[in-house]
Amino acid sequence: AQTVTQSQPEMSVQEAETVTLSCTYDTSESNYYLFWYKQPPSRQMILVIRQEAYKQQNATENRFSVNFQKAAKSFSLKISDSQLGDTAMYFCAFMPPNTGNQFYFGTGTSLTVIP
Amino acid sequence: DTEVTQTPKHLVMGMTNKKSLKCEQHMGHRAMYWYKQKAKKPPELMFVYSYEKLSINESVPSRFSPECPNSSLLNLHLHALQPEDSALYLCASSQGSGSQETQYFGPGTRLLVL
Repeated sequence: AQTVTQSQPEMSVQEAETVTLSCTYDTSESNYYLFWYKQPPSRQMILVIRQEAYKQQNATENRFSVNFQKAAKSFSLKISDSQLGDTAMYFCAFMPPNTGNQFYFGTGTSLTVIP
Repeated sequence: DTEVTQTPKHLVMGMTNKKSLKCEQHMGHRAMYWYKQKAKKPPELMFVYSYEKLSINESVPSRFSPECPNSSLLNLHLHALQPEDSALYLCASSQGSGSQETQYFGPGTRLLVL
């Protein structure tokens, strides 16, 4: 069974500081995909970053980067220079192969950026 | 353009009403999805359409009836809903339904069943 765990239900960070959101997953697959999605309050869910398991290099998108540890089954998201617009619910998602593109979502981390 | 649009934004309906939710994308994507999301919870997959055919139905009650009239449009017909069906209904699309396809989400329809 595939499971995704986000152990931090809520987090806060001062504006301009760095914060790391954790995500662990459990799978017996070797080739899969990992995603972080952001859902601001009353706004739509948008993709933050994705990582292919076969790539050793960690994905980065501007202020967002991941620390992907395949052996440890860990996929944390680092947000640098936090901005007020980063306040949102963040969902980690795992996608195994050959499942019709189905996500396994974590329970989410609610991040608040404090001015 | 990675836009998925959904109408209406909000919907209030009684348990005997029939209503429909609409989702549209013009990105040429061939897979479309319906999700249900309760407050502060992750989305739960309901249906997947791949090339306009229903490929996944996650044991959703028959009071929810999906329809995919063409490759750009996805509907969700609602009938005889229960108050516990009140939620945010999200539509998403992806280029295909193979592995690793990024899904793009719409803003959702917030449904309240009285």
